Amino acid sequence: SQKIEQNSEALNIQEGKTATLTCNYTNYSPAYLQWYRQDPGRGPVFLLLIRENEKEKRKERLKVTFDTTLKQSLFHITASQPADSATYLCALDIGRGGKLIFGQGTELSVKP
Amino acid sequence: KAGVTQTPRYLIKTRGQQVTLSCSPISGHRSVSWYQQTPGQGLQFLFEYFSETQRNKGNFPGRFSGRQFSNSRSEMNVSTLELGDSALYLCASSLGTVSGNTIYFGEGSWLTVV
Repeated sequence: SQKIEQNSEALNIQEGKTATLTCNYTNYSPAYLQWYRQDPGRGPVFLLLIRENEKEKRKERLKVTFDTTLKQSLFHITASQPADSATYLCALDIGRGGKLIFGQGTELSVKP
Repeated sequence: KAGVTQTPRYLIKTRGQQVTLSCSPISGHRSVSWYQQTPGQGLQFLFEYFSETQRNKGNFPGRFSGRQFSNSRSEMNVSTLELGDSALYLCASSLGTVSGNTIYFGEGSWLTVV
């Protein structure tokens, strides 16, 4: 069956450390993979998109990798801050317009 | 520019009633998609409209329907509400080419069915 899993439901780290979130999928061949941030009671906010032929993408303190052989994406937040505390969602874009397949999300908590 | 706007933000309905939710996409975006988010199932795709036509559909019963108008605004309707329909309903818009577009979400409509 088709499945997309994020490594853990919750991740607690200390301020200043690097947070690493994992997204694994099976039986999909996504053309793109997207990462979103969602705060409680709010809609998801787009962070980064990475294409299947890209290995890595960066934006400020964020870095995403995409390994289509392992069927895995890693999302890193360097020099994490308490303001980074939120739920992070990975989503597969399987090339069908506005349809995204979401993981269940990882709730990141950054402690001062 | 203005983001994706959803109305109403909160609503409470009784089991058996129907509800209509509205979404105004970002100006210039022709694709509008709808998602349901619940604690148990996460974010699940309902359907997508592009240029007034349903282009993609998720695995939801026929009680869930939608439409898109010529100005790209969209509505979704849920008939014969069930308790399990209580959820955050999210609308998202994009330019609408088949892949690789950034998809922008609204703040959602919180539906509670009692």
